Amino acid sequence: TQLLEQSPQFLSIQEGENLTVYCNSSSVFSSLQWYRQEPGEGPVLLVTVVTGGEVKKLKRLTFQFGDARKDSSLHITAAQPGDTGLYLCAGRLNYGGATNKLIFGTGTLLAVQP
Amino acid sequence: GAVVSQHPSRVICKSGTSVKIECRSLDFQATTMFWYRQFPKQSLMLMATSNEGSKATYEQGVEKDKFLINHASLTLSTLTVTSAHPEDSSFYICSALGTSHEQFFGPGTRLTVL
Repeated sequence: TQLLEQSPQFLSIQEGENLTVYCNSSSVFSSLQWYRQEPGEGPVLLVTVVTGGEVKKLKRLTFQFGDARKDSSLHITAAQPGDTGLYLCAGRLNYGGATNKLIFGTGTLLAVQP
Repeated sequence: GAVVSQHPSRVICKSGTSVKIECRSLDFQATTMFWYRQFPKQSLMLMATSNEGSKATYEQGVEKDKFLINHASLTLSTLTVTSAHPEDSSFYICSALGTSHEQFFGPGTRLTVL
C-alpha cells in the first residue's frame, strides 16, 4: 500500500510556466520533506515542513503543508530547465525513540523544455 | 552539511555472485542508516533500517537472507546482495540519520546483474 500519492506522475512544460505538484495521504505525518533527484544521483533535500498549514518559500518554489498534516503541495513559479528532475515528497513516521522512518511518495517527473 | 558516501557507485556482476555495497557517514556518526531501492523513474522504496550493533529491521516483502545488512560501526553500514540475479538489478541508495533526525542520502549505487 502506497501511503503517499503524488500527482501528476509526469509533467512536461515550457520554460516560464507555473506548475503545482501534489502529495496526498490518509496518514498523518510528524513532518514532510520535499526532495529533488537527478538521474544517477541521490535525492537532495529541498525543504522540511513541520507545522500544519505551514508555508515555506525557496526562491521560486513554494511549499505548503496541509492543516491536518496529511498532504502537501509544491508550486514552482516561472519554471526553468534547471528545475528538471524527479520530485519526491517524503513523510516522517515516528516509531518512538530516536528511530524515524521516511515514507516516500510515488514521485513526479518534471521536464522543463527551453 | 553532512556527507554520506557509497561505494561502489556502479557494479556489474554475474548472476549467482554476491555483491557488497558500503555506505559511510563521512563527518558524523549515525546509529541508524536506511537502505532504499529505486527502479528507473520511480520512487524510493525502503528496504530496511540498519541499527548499529543490532540486527536490521526489514520492510515487509524484503528477504533478509537475500539482502544482508551489517552496521558494525557508527559510520559504516553494508548491504550485501547474495546470489544476485538479473531482477536484483536496481539503484540502491542509503541514508544516514543525523542528530537532528534528518536523513542524509548517499549518491547511490547502480547494480547490474548479467
